[in-house]
Amino acid sequence: AQKVTQAQTEISVVEKEDVTLDCVYETRDTTYYLFWYKQPPSGELVFLIRRNSFDEQNEISGRYSWNFQKSTSSFNFTITASQVVDSAVYFCALGNAGNMLTFGGGTRLMVKP
Amino acid sequence: DTEVTQTPKHLVMGMTNKKSLKCEQHMGHRAMYWYKQKAKKPPELMFVYSYEKLSINESVPSRFSPECPNSSLLNLHLHALQPEDSALYLCASSQVGLAAGRKETQYFGPGTRLLVL
Repeated sequence: AQKVTQAQTEISVVEKEDVTLDCVYETRDTTYYLFWYKQPPSGELVFLIRRNSFDEQNEISGRYSWNFQKSTSSFNFTITASQVVDSAVYFCALGNAGNMLTFGGGTRLMVKP
Repeated sequence: DTEVTQTPKHLVMGMTNKKSLKCEQHMGHRAMYWYKQKAKKPPELMFVYSYEKLSINESVPSRFSPECPNSSLLNLHLHALQPEDSALYLCASSQVGLAAGRKETQYFGPGTRLLVL
């Protein structure tokens, strides 16, 4: 069975603060895929990043960075210098070879001006 | 272009109505998905179509009837729904993995907010 845990249900920060969203996953598969999606109030799930289980290289994209650690089964997401537009619900998801996604419960991020 | 479109954006229907949700993508993806999302919950998978054939039905009640007329279109026909079916319905599409074990990224549409009265 697959499971994704996002322990932080809500985070509130002030603009320009850095914030890290945690994601811990469980799987018995040797090949799997990890994703982060952003869901603004409009409802659309916006794809942010995908990581394959055999690629532990961290990634940075502008103000976003991701830290993938197989040893701790974690795939954390950091936003540097947060902005009000970053306010959304962020979902971490685990994918398997069968085209199935298991979502975490989501973290609601509120960035205040 | 990673756009998936869904219509309508909002839908209000009575329990005796019949309505349909539509989803369209032009990315050449051969897998399409329907998800249901209740407030403050993650999306829950309902159906998966692969090469226009239904490959996964997550024990969804028969009042929800999916249809994939072609590789770009996905419909969800609704009939005799209950108030608890009120939710955001999300459509997604992806490539189908060419090799065993390859998982393709799912791209989501904006969703249809459904209210059943």
